Amino acid sequence: ETGVTQTPRHLVMGMTNKKSLKCEQHLGHNAMYWYKQSAKKPLELMFVYNFKEQTENNSVPSRFSPECPNSSHLFLHLHTLQPEDSALYLCASSQDIQGSGNTIYFGEGSWLTVV
Amino acid sequence: EDQVTQSPEALRLQEGESSSLNCSYTVSGLRGLFWYRQDPGKGPEFLFTLYSAGEEKEKERLKATLTKKESFLHITAPKPEDSATYLCAAFSGNQFYFGTGTSLTVIP
Repeated sequence: ETGVTQTPRHLVMGMTNKKSLKCEQHLGHNAMYWYKQSAKKPLELMFVYNFKEQTENNSVPSRFSPECPNSSHLFLHLHTLQPEDSALYLCASSQDIQGSGNTIYFGEGSWLTVV
Repeated sequence: EDQVTQSPEALRLQEGESSSLNCSYTVSGLRGLFWYRQDPGKGPEFLFTLYSAGEEKEKERLKATLTKKESFLHITAPKPEDSATYLCAAFSGNQFYFGTGTSLTVIP
C-alpha cells in the first residue's frame, strides 16, 4: 500500500467541465508535488508545496490551479482543459525540498482524459 | 543544460538473460541519483538512491552503480515479473531531473 493516495484514479472530462484531483500523504512529509507524465516524455514538474506554501510553479497554464490546505493534502483543480492536457497526473511527497536524502514517493496517479 | 538521458528506450530479454540499463546525467552538483520502477498505469515505485561515485546498492536481482557521469541498473537473471519501465532521476539544487525511462520486457 502506497503512502501517497490519489483520487480519482481515472477521470474523463469535457473541455468545459470543472473537476479536481485529490492527493493525501500518510508519510508525515512536509513537501508535496504535482507532476504530469505524458508518453515518451520525462516527468514534468508542475507545482511544489513546502510546509503548505507554494515554492514553485513551472509556467503551468492557469487552467490548472493547485491548493494545499495542509501538509498532508494537495488538490489540483481543473477547468476548461484542452485535449493535450490528457495525461497521467502524479502526486508525490518528500520529507522536505532541501537536503540530499530527499526521496520522492509517488502516488498511483490519476489518469485524465479530456474529450 | 541539466538533463538526464536513459538508454536503451526499450529492452527485451529472455528470462535469465542478464543486462544493464544506462542513465547518463549532465547536472551540476549532483546531490542524489534515484532509480524508480513503474508498472503500467501506476505511479513510480522507489528503488534506490545513490549519492557518490563508486557507490553501489542491491535489491534482489537489481544492482545500481554510480560514476561521475552515469548510473547503471544491472539486472541479473531477470524474471517476467521484472518487466516494467525503469526511471532514473538526478537531484541537483532543489530539482529532480527525470529521464524518459527504459521499458523492460522479460520473456518467459
